[in-house]
Amino acid sequence: SAVISQKPSRDICQRGTSLTIQCQVDSQVTMMFWYRQQPGQSLTLIATANQGSEATYESGFVIDKFPISRPNLTFSTLTVSNMSPEDSSIYLCSVSPWGEQFFGPGTRLTVL
Amino acid sequence: KQEVTQIPAALSVPEGENLVLNCSFTDSAIYNLQWFRQDPGKGLTSLLLIQSSQREQTSGRLNASLDKSSGRSTLYIAASQPGDSATYLCAAPQLIWGAGTKLIIKP
Repeated sequence: SAVISQKPSRDICQRGTSLTIQCQVDSQVTMMFWYRQQPGQSLTLIATANQGSEATYESGFVIDKFPISRPNLTFSTLTVSNMSPEDSSIYLCSVSPWGEQFFGPGTRLTVL
Repeated sequence: KQEVTQIPAALSVPEGENLVLNCSFTDSAIYNLQWFRQDPGKGLTSLLLIQSSQREQTSGRLNASLDKSSGRSTLYIAASQPGDSATYLCAAPQLIWGAGTKLIIKP
């Protein structure tokens, strides 16, 4: 299996600020996935990050709001920009190197 | 468009019971189907992956089956324990997710 770590594990932020979430994988992977899980909801895919190219965003998510970096095959960051209380969610990083999908522990974000 | 539905949304049973969680999908062209558990406020833990050519997978007290023709997958949990209490999600990785079944096992 793939082991994924995320930082921070949780944060409380003020409206209008930005937070960058880091995701580190213990093996090289082509694609990394970022998800949002709003309170009481299932997962929604935000974007897919490929090393060496721009991330691919799902409908309803834009680069200006959720910029993503993918500097190498084991690391990615997701920034939540200009935050509002509606951004309060768990943000999850995921990889699927051989068909099976693995997740990081998540970042619980609360926006006041 | 592929959709995944999980029934029931919540289930509470006494310890020791065998139980079945259901997952249905609309498109039989599904490739893989994966079951996860999620503890409150935590990430997701992979339980079982059923690949396209397979019909079932087993791990300990868990057994998952996949019937593409009927558009259904089931997760069977034998001899349930309080530690099995969690939300169980099925997914067609990486995009299509069920809403989950919240399972409570009462001691």
